Amino acid sequence: EAQVTQNPRYLITVTGKKLTVTCSQNMNHEYMSWYRQDPGLGLRQIYYSMNVEVTDKGDVPEGYKVSRKEKRNFPLILESPSPNQTSLYFCASSPIGLAGGYNEQFFGPGTRLTVL
Amino acid sequence: KNEVEQSPQNLTAQEGEFITINCSYSVGISALHWLQQHPGGGIVSLFMLSSGKKKHGRLIATINIQEKHSSLHITASHPRDSAVYICAVPRDSNYQLIWGAGTKLIIKP
Repeated sequence: EAQVTQNPRYLITVTGKKLTVTCSQNMNHEYMSWYRQDPGLGLRQIYYSMNVEVTDKGDVPEGYKVSRKEKRNFPLILESPSPNQTSLYFCASSPIGLAGGYNEQFFGPGTRLTVL
Repeated sequence: KNEVEQSPQNLTAQEGEFITINCSYSVGISALHWLQQHPGGGIVSLFMLSSGKKKHGRLIATINIQEKHSSLHITASHPRDSAVYICAVPRDSNYQLIWGAGTKLIIKP
């Protein structure tokens, strides 16, 4: 089954304790992206990657790191989480063809993170 | 002014009603996305369209590139259609999307 998986789905942690949220897709998509969703603010892009070893900042990259060592995986790293990073996080993937960003994005189920 | 604006923000209707959600954008685009976010949080892509109209089941999406406006229609609405509907358009780079704030739809039985 074609899908994007995220782990963990729920996480409660404390300020400053490094954490990683994993994202994996089995559709051989080139493009992967991380979003955060907060009440009243909609979806905001954190980082995106157009292929292996190619990443770029989105609209709200501060406090986050990403890596793309393999095509299928795109982990999101919070080196020193703070309470303002409490949010719902989504990973998404998409093929990049001649149409570029016109292609449909497939979303993971979301990770609800609480930083105390 | 936001680059992508949706209306209404909230919509409550009775089962069976015809639903219209609007999306206006100020940037030049070649395609527009409509997505649905379920009450449980999951997001699925409904349509991607660059002209005219697309239909999938009871959902119909239309776009007018000249007027920079798109509509999502739901015919014979059902409580299971209750969700947040989001439109998004590509930025200049085409690898990022500008997201609307979403329309929260509640269909009452």
